[in-house]
Amino acid sequence: DTGVSQDPRHKITKRGQNVTFRCDPISEHNRLYWYRQTLGQGPEFLTYFQNEAQLEKSRLLSDRFSAERPKGSFSTLEIQRTEQGDSAMYLCASSLDGVTGAYEQYFGPGTRLTVT
Amino acid sequence: AQTVTQSQPEMSVQEAETVTLSCTYDTSESDYYLFWYKQPPSRQMILVIRQEAYKQQNATENRFSVNFQKAAKSFSLKISDSQLGDAAMYFCAFGGSQGNLIFGKGTKLSVKP
Repeated sequence: DTGVSQDPRHKITKRGQNVTFRCDPISEHNRLYWYRQTLGQGPEFLTYFQNEAQLEKSRLLSDRFSAERPKGSFSTLEIQRTEQGDSAMYLCASSLDGVTGAYEQYFGPGTRLTVT
Repeated sequence: AQTVTQSQPEMSVQEAETVTLSCTYDTSESDYYLFWYKQPPSRQMILVIRQEAYKQQNATENRFSVNFQKAAKSFSLKISDSQLGDAAMYFCAFGGSQGNLIFGKGTKLSVKP
């Protein structure tokens, strides 16, 4: 296992369509995070899972966004009825659990979403 | 709420010279972690260095070191012997009790040959 992977790397969609992204974490990591990064900004936290449980959700995560992590392995992030403001890079990260390990997050290459 | 501020949108350094990137943060927590991440153009985020707030000793990783001033809530990154491959966006990040990371807006570092 060489790191966090994300699919697709790029997605172009029309406004109003639904999109789904996938993230595969480092295999021994039980925490998985989703962030959104717009041009010229740092990543902003969206949500995170410990195993299959979704523990925290940002207020940025509107009801059009939903994330799942069935069986505590890969995760999906779905955006329904996309809007132009959803255009961004969606980053996934994973980490170990525990006091020290929880914070050392390893990032995937991201999925760049363009909504036309 | 925690905040992270990087006051230098862009910095430039001559190859082989030393550069320091600034970061300040605000928190009421006493136990936390601070990080510097590097994001090269069109490439993924890489962890550069980590500092535990309870440790007084500044972290060092090869050419990268930090100056952690807990009372001042300051966490700067020093890059020694700068190389062309160091050119990237550098993000300072705070990790507290919530589990997620809070990032600054980043500093774009250019390295001149």
